[in-house]
Parts: sequence; C-alpha cells; structure tokens
Amino acid sequence: SQTIHQWPATLVQPVGSPLSLECTVEGTSNPNLYWYRQAAGRGLQLLFYSVGIGQISSEVPQNLSASRPQDRQFILSSKKLLLSDSGFYLCAWGTGGIMGPQHFGDGTRLSIL
Amino acid sequence: ILNVEQSPQSLHVQEGDSTNFTCSFPSSNFYALHWYRWETAKSPEALFVMTLNGDEKKKGRISATLNTKEGYSYLYIKGSQPEDSATYLCARSLKPGSARQLTFGSGTQLTVLP
Repeated sequence: SQTIHQWPATLVQPVGSPLSLECTVEGTSNPNLYWYRQAAGRGLQLLFYSVGIGQISSEVPQNLSASRPQDRQFILSSKKLLLSDSGFYLCAWGTGGIMGPQHFGDGTRLSIL
Repeated sequence: ILNVEQSPQSLHVQEGDSTNFTCSFPSSNFYALHWYRWETAKSPEALFVMTLNGDEKKKGRISATLNTKEGYSYLYIKGSQPEDSATYLCARSLKPGSARQLTFGSGTQLTVLP
C-alpha cells in the first residue's frame, strides 16, 4: 500500500533562518507531488508541484523553493525565512489526470519568530 | 465568481441533525469538482470527485451534488455524528491533464455537538 511521510511535524524558526521540509512517498512510482500551504483562516494554496525528477513548477512567486532529487522525494526549502512564511504545510501525491492530489501527509506546522 | 468559495465558514449542529454546505466556483472551463474531509490532527482525505452536471455521489451518510451550469456543489451529511466534525474542503480542477489541477476553497468547519 502507498504511504506518504512528511517531517517534521512542528517547527519553530527565527526570521532569516533556512528551512528544509521533506516528504517521501512509498508504494508508488512516478507520482505527481505537491506542496501546499494553509495560512491562518485561508484555504489550501498550491506552492509547487512536480511531475518527475528534477521537474518543478512554481505557482506563486515567493521566498520558497522546491526540489525533487528522487522519484518519491520532494523537498521544500528556503534560504531565509520571513514572518509571512508561517503556516501549515502539506505534502501530497496523486496519480494525475482527474483525481488531483489523492493522499496528503500529516503536515508541518511552521512558526516563524 | 473568480475563486472557489465555500459557505458557511463554520457550522455547529447537534448530533442527529442533517446538514449541508455549499461550494461555489466559476462555471466556465469547468473540468471536475473535488470534496475533501480534513479532521483535526489528521491529513485531508479525498471524499468525492465529480465531473458531470447533475452528478451525485454518496459515501455512507455523506453525499454531494454538482451543478456545473450555475457553478455550485452541495455536500450533505445525514444524521450528523461527532466523528463527522472536520473541515470540508472543495476544490475545482482547471483543465484535464493539468498537474496544477486544483484550486481550493477555504473550507467549512463543521462541529457536531453530542
């Protein structure tokens, strides 16, 4: 069966510090991978998606970047965090086509001080 | 409607009550409409995906309908239970084969009181 792992679960970082959130998927090959963010009181905003190794599409200009070094690994990074980067980050995967992201990780609560 | 909108933002019902809430979306260039349930401290769970005007999907006590011409979908919960408490998200697919795929609403937070 397929599983998705995302870590860490919570993170408190000072402004200006770097960030690395990691997501791995097991039990499937060549999934579409997604990073979403939920800011306080708002819906899920798609940040990045990837259809294959090294292929990253960015949805909104921001302080973040994503990488996909392996088929089932998706990393969200920042060189210098801003206060506005606070929020809840979700990794997800899907098989593409009509279904969209079908499986989500448990999320990371990121607080910037 | 420029974005996907959900109403109400939050809702409290008594156990046993039936309830429903709305997802509104642009009716042009419609491809598919998705519903997710997101329980606290858990990850979102896909409930339904609907594509055709008049589609109706059902999963246990939860059902959903779709009107693509007027751009709305209703989610119904019959005989609400405390375990139905969650945020219900809807999302609209932009076009077939698009990996970007979904624009989410901000959700309806349902609390079922015992």
